[in-house]
Amino acid sequence: AQSVAQPEDQVNVAEGNPLTVKCTYSVSGNPYLFWYVQYPNRGLQFLLKYITGDNLVKGSYGFEAEFNKSQTSFHLKKPSALVSDSALYFCAVRDEGNNRKLIWGLGTSLAVNP
Amino acid sequence: DTEVTQTPKHLVMGMTNKKSLKCEQHMGHRAMYWYKQKAKKPPELMFVYSYEKLSINESVPSRFSPECPNSSLLNLHLHALQPEDSALYLCASSQDVSGAGTRAYNEQFFGPGTRLTVL
Repeated sequence: AQSVAQPEDQVNVAEGNPLTVKCTYSVSGNPYLFWYVQYPNRGLQFLLKYITGDNLVKGSYGFEAEFNKSQTSFHLKKPSALVSDSALYFCAVRDEGNNRKLIWGLGTSLAVNP
Repeated sequence: DTEVTQTPKHLVMGMTNKKSLKCEQHMGHRAMYWYKQKAKKPPELMFVYSYEKLSINESVPSRFSPECPNSSLLNLHLHALQPEDSALYLCASSQDVSGAGTRAYNEQFFGPGTRLTVL
């Protein structure tokens, strides 16, 4: 079965430091991976996706993600965190065997401290 | 216009009320979605419309009734809800629901949601 895991419920980082939000996946075949962010009391916003090609994907708001096939990971990164990056981050994978729905991770709450 | 709009932003209703949630997009997307989201949890898919036809119903209770009047609009009709239905209801759209094995552009754009409280 297809699945995605976000091993950390909460990540804390100081402003200006690099941040990483982890995501691992399990799919049969090639993965289609997505990162979304949800700010408090808001809907989800698309950050970036991996479909094929370069393993380093650049997205919105200075975020990037590194696809690692051997480690089945798709970690979200940013070189220098901002307080405004504090939000809930969801990783998702498209389920090729089930109407191509998105399978969501449980989310990681990122807190960037000033 | 890269925005999905939802009305109302907040809704409080009793268990015997009938109400509707509305969603609109003008990006020319042909797939539209309803999700339910509880606090700090991932969204749960409820319905998918593809080219204005219902393509996925995730075994949602009949007290939720979706409608897609045209390619830009999506409604969710609510009747006889239960307190446990209180949640954030999110609408989303995407270019289309891509075929299996394709690498088509498929990210979903979400609206801000309707915060529903059932008393």
